[in-house]
Amino acid sequence: GAVVSQHPSRVICKSGTSVKIECRSLDFQATTMFWYRQFPKQSLMLMATSNEGSKATYEQGVEKDKFLINHASLTLSTLTVTSAHPEDSSFYICSANPGQGYSYEQYFGPGTRLTVT
Amino acid sequence: AQKVTQAQTEISVVEKEDVTLDCVYETRDTTYYLFWYKQPPSGELVFLIRRNSFDEQNEISGRYSWNFQKSTSSFNFTITASQVVDSAVYFCALSVYSGAGSYQLTFGKGTKLSVIP
Repeated sequence: GAVVSQHPSRVICKSGTSVKIECRSLDFQATTMFWYRQFPKQSLMLMATSNEGSKATYEQGVEKDKFLINHASLTLSTLTVTSAHPEDSSFYICSANPGQGYSYEQYFGPGTRLTVT
Repeated sequence: AQKVTQAQTEISVVEKEDVTLDCVYETRDTTYYLFWYKQPPSGELVFLIRRNSFDEQNEISGRYSWNFQKSTSSFNFTITASQVVDSAVYFCALSVYSGAGSYQLTFGKGTKLSVIP
């Protein structure tokens, strides 16, 4: 149980275009989902926290107009990188929290490697 | 604010040697959770262990063992008889309540372990 998927696993896009990454909880409902970014040889940095049906909370320094997060259902959150630039190239990882007494748990997706050319 | 320090950036050991990865954390919360994750080259985070702040019992799982000491705010991870498959980046993480029913994870910078055959 507690499986989280991400799609796509890898994406290459041209500078100036937008790309959408999906995060799905496959066998549980996720009251909260998190988005992390990991640059090469660095740690995971939290970008934003999203709760189903409400606006995401972004960490300091993360541009909310550039990284659009939509948590439209209890099993799906999407991250859209708008007008991508080469410096947005990174590994993006989502996680999902099932709530209901397990609010300390985060189940991680396999990650999406974004390359902007 | 929460902080996790993994002082060892990179460690190399020869196969079958034992190795300990250090983790020191800082928090003012009395209730928190500590985690260790393994990140192989594929990028996917692999959950290894979770400990809550009220359970200081050490744990052993096969070749893995964890030493949690609240007195020194440390949660160290030992691999006994290391194998090449243990080569990966290992992250220690701290989870504390962030409000609105959810917890937030803070990751250390990670320790890259290389096991040489």
